[in-house]
Amino acid sequence: AQKITQTQPGMFVQEKEAVTLDCTYDTSDPSYGLFWYKQPSSGEMIFLIYQGSYDQQNATEGRYSLNFQKARKSANLVISASQLGDSAMYFCAMREGLTGNQFYFGTGTSLTVIP
Amino acid sequence: SQTIHQWPATLVQPVGSPLSLECTVEGTSNPNLYWYRQAAGRGLQLLFYSVGIGQISSEVPQNLSASRPQDRQFILSSKKLLLSDSGFYLCAWTVRGAPQPQHFGDGTRLSIL
Repeated sequence: AQKITQTQPGMFVQEKEAVTLDCTYDTSDPSYGLFWYKQPSSGEMIFLIYQGSYDQQNATEGRYSLNFQKARKSANLVISASQLGDSAMYFCAMREGLTGNQFYFGTGTSLTVIP
Repeated sequence: SQTIHQWPATLVQPVGSPLSLECTVEGTSNPNLYWYRQAAGRGLQLLFYSVGIGQISSEVPQNLSASRPQDRQFILSSKKLLLSDSGFYLCAWTVRGAPQPQHFGDGTRLSIL
């Protein structure tokens, strides 16, 4: 089974609107970390936000927030007030055991912000 | 602060030629190091990771190899490149033993002719 599933190959959002990018994960380890990365067309992978499995509150970083629903094993990324510069690929990732050696990545979601 | 350097940024190589991509990390000690490959429009494929000098774990059997001659240096090599080796190669590091994210280099675009 896939460790990380991103079911939205492509998404469109109007500038200044909010958008949610979906991510579900699969693990039997009670300790894990969830991450979101942004990859612009230039290729670099930019870390956006982190959620630990024991964190009680949803993580937030500026316009990014992570909607963490542990029972559903979902970790959706919410981008508020979308900007043209948000157009990029977005990857969800998981690190098992919080300090495990491997990171598992989803297949990514391509987000296009429409002016 | 920690930085990761990866070079070259772009490389065009003929089929059958050797390869050496280098990655170095500054500002940290004992990092976990990783090599990924990304085909155009696709996700990341983990190739190798290392938890210490001389310790290499291979995730995908292929004609690539990796070495870690120094604590903060990670090298991806091949003796004979195949057309299928084309792609975008990313090096990454993370703190060992802490719930920290991976941090990536700027990547190398490798084209095999």
